[in-house]
Amino acid sequence: TQLLEQSPQFLSIQEGENLTVYCNSSSVFSSLQWYRQEPGEGPVLLVTVVTGGEVKKLKRLTFQFGDARKDSSLHITAAQPGDTGLYLCAGAITAGNKLTFGGGTRVLVKP
Amino acid sequence: DAGVIQSPRHEVTEMGQEVTLRCKPISGHNSLFWYRQTMMRGLELLIYFNNNVPIDDSGMPEDRFSAKMPNASFSTLKIQPSEPRDSAVYFCASSPTGGYQPQHFGDGTRLSIL
Repeated sequence: TQLLEQSPQFLSIQEGENLTVYCNSSSVFSSLQWYRQEPGEGPVLLVTVVTGGEVKKLKRLTFQFGDARKDSSLHITAAQPGDTGLYLCAGAITAGNKLTFGGGTRVLVKP
Repeated sequence: DAGVIQSPRHEVTEMGQEVTLRCKPISGHNSLFWYRQTMMRGLELLIYFNNNVPIDDSGMPEDRFSAKMPNASFSTLKIQPSEPRDSAVYFCASSPTGGYQPQHFGDGTRLSIL
């Protein structure tokens, strides 16, 4: 059983559509990070959220940390083929360096 | 700036052989992590070091796996003897010490045990 559950596991959409990826847990996290991984490469950090209820925007990507700091979401507006990849959420229980990763959501944006 | 460097990028070997994976972290980063990624289990933390000292090795599967960090610029993950179920992509990551720091990943070593 994953400490962090991501849904959906796979998402295929057309260019221009919106999508939302969810990351849920029964545990409280001191911080949560989102990474994107492309084939043949390691994950790359997109954002870190720390405060419950926090919303961060990165161009067409919007990240939200739940009020209770147990869940998070990633919303992409007007998806583009360049958004294709594996999206991973990762939580830290304490304010240290150890992260627990979710199972990932594989996103395919078709032109 | 150079990122995290892993070698080799690919390794194919027969079961029973010893496998050594290498990692050079980003200069100045005090924490180093070894992960294993498979389709079934996702990205799993195997072990992490802080200032060259192993802090948490609870993710190391069994005694066949060992990791060392002899200095701040080099770490190894060794599997001896290797088994087919060890086939996976192994990532090394490093980060500065302190809360909420991002982890910087290498491009991984794709390991196939026949």
